[in-house]
Amino acid sequence: DAGITQSPRYKITETGRQVTLMCHQTWSHSYMFWYRQDLGHGLRLIYYSAAADITDKGEVPDGYVVSRSKTENFPLTLESATRSQTSVYFCASSGTAYEQYFGPGTRLTVT
Amino acid sequence: DAKTTQPNSMESNEEEPVHLPCNHSTISGTDYIHWYRQLPSQGPEYVIHGLTSNVNNRMASLAIAEDRKSSTLILHRATLRDAAVYYCIRPNFGNEKLTFGTGTRLTIIP
Repeated sequence: DAGITQSPRYKITETGRQVTLMCHQTWSHSYMFWYRQDLGHGLRLIYYSAAADITDKGEVPDGYVVSRSKTENFPLTLESATRSQTSVYFCASSGTAYEQYFGPGTRLTVT
Repeated sequence: DAKTTQPNSMESNEEEPVHLPCNHSTISGTDYIHWYRQLPSQGPEYVIHGLTSNVNNRMASLAIAEDRKSSTLILHRATLRDAAVYYCIRPNFGNEKLTFGTGTRLTIIP
């Protein structure tokens, strides 16, 4: 199906482990984004990408790594997960940067 | 500072219009105002965006003050499915970097 998908939808991991969250879109949108949403907070931008091989930091990039070798994929890696990274992670894509389309989210718990 | 100010919560009756206010007094001349909403347990959903003129689409209307220091999202006829958190957003260093605040939680009363 066309659209934007995230995997896994739910993940439990231990402190110190590496975990990768996947994001895939079928629209060939240039822009892709990663946000996190914590209870009682709005969404905060972690990283974004304007095109393949172009990425830039958002508001809260520390502890995260991204790559974008293909237009349709934008994986987010937590190199050494911490409890403070327990959150709901949303991926989004946009063709123009004016209308972002969000995925269903990944709920990550770090124990 | 890319902050906007919105009421924490609002209530409205079903089938009546809803006016959701937003203050963005420090907005620059080239920054668009964006509105998104988030239904329970879902990712945010684009609603509308505008620069200076009032904007309409199938979901809502956006009325922007002449001095651009405030705007109002108008839902013309609220339904129960419009119950959501509504975010008024101004860009943070470019229209692609959006800063979401805590938004307005809209409750629709049947």
